[in-house]
Amino acid sequence: AQSVTQPDIHITVSEGASLELRCNYSYGATPYLFWYVQSPGQGLQLLLKYFSGDTLVQGIKGFEAEFKRSQSSFNLRKPSVHWSDAAEYFCAVATGSGAGSYQLTFGKGTKLSVIP
Amino acid sequence: DTEVTQTPKHLVMGMTNKKSLKCEQHMGHRAMYWYKQKAKKPPELMFVYSYEKLSINESVPSRFSPECPNSSLLNLHLHALQPEDSALYLCASSLRDRGRDGGNTIYFGEGSWLTVV
Repeated sequence: AQSVTQPDIHITVSEGASLELRCNYSYGATPYLFWYVQSPGQGLQLLLKYFSGDTLVQGIKGFEAEFKRSQSSFNLRKPSVHWSDAAEYFCAVATGSGAGSYQLTFGKGTKLSVIP
Repeated sequence: DTEVTQTPKHLVMGMTNKKSLKCEQHMGHRAMYWYKQKAKKPPELMFVYSYEKLSINESVPSRFSPECPNSSLLNLHLHALQPEDSALYLCASSLRDRGRDGGNTIYFGEGSWLTVV
């Protein structure tokens, strides 16, 4: 069965510093990988996704992620964090449920705090 | 436009009430989902509808009853809920991307905050 591990429960960075959030997955086939962000009291917003091709994917809000098959990782990065990036970040892997639908398996999430 | 709209945003209901959560998307997506999210936890899948047919029910209690009237709408009917059912209920939808990556992307709504008293 597929699983997603986000090793860091809580990360604090200073505004303007670089950021890397870790994600490791377990899945037998080529994974569909996602990063979502959830601000307090809000739903989930898609940051970026990986299905195939270029292993470095660009997303919204200046985020990028790199898929490394050898390490089963899909880490999220941002070169310079803004105070508005403070939120909960979820890594997820999607597997086909049949008939065109998918099931998302989420990691437990990483809470990002930003110090002004 | 990647919008999934959920109403109401907040709902307070008693344990004997009957209420409904509504979800709407106009992206032509043919798979729609209900997730439940408790505080400080990731979302948990409840139901999946594919082409308006229920394809997955993750052992959800019968006090939650989903309905998909058409390809754009998804409802979650609530009856005789318990206080532990208080949570954020998220609707999502998906369609296989038509781009060369051939993948599928799942889009979420803003959620409905449910409090059972």
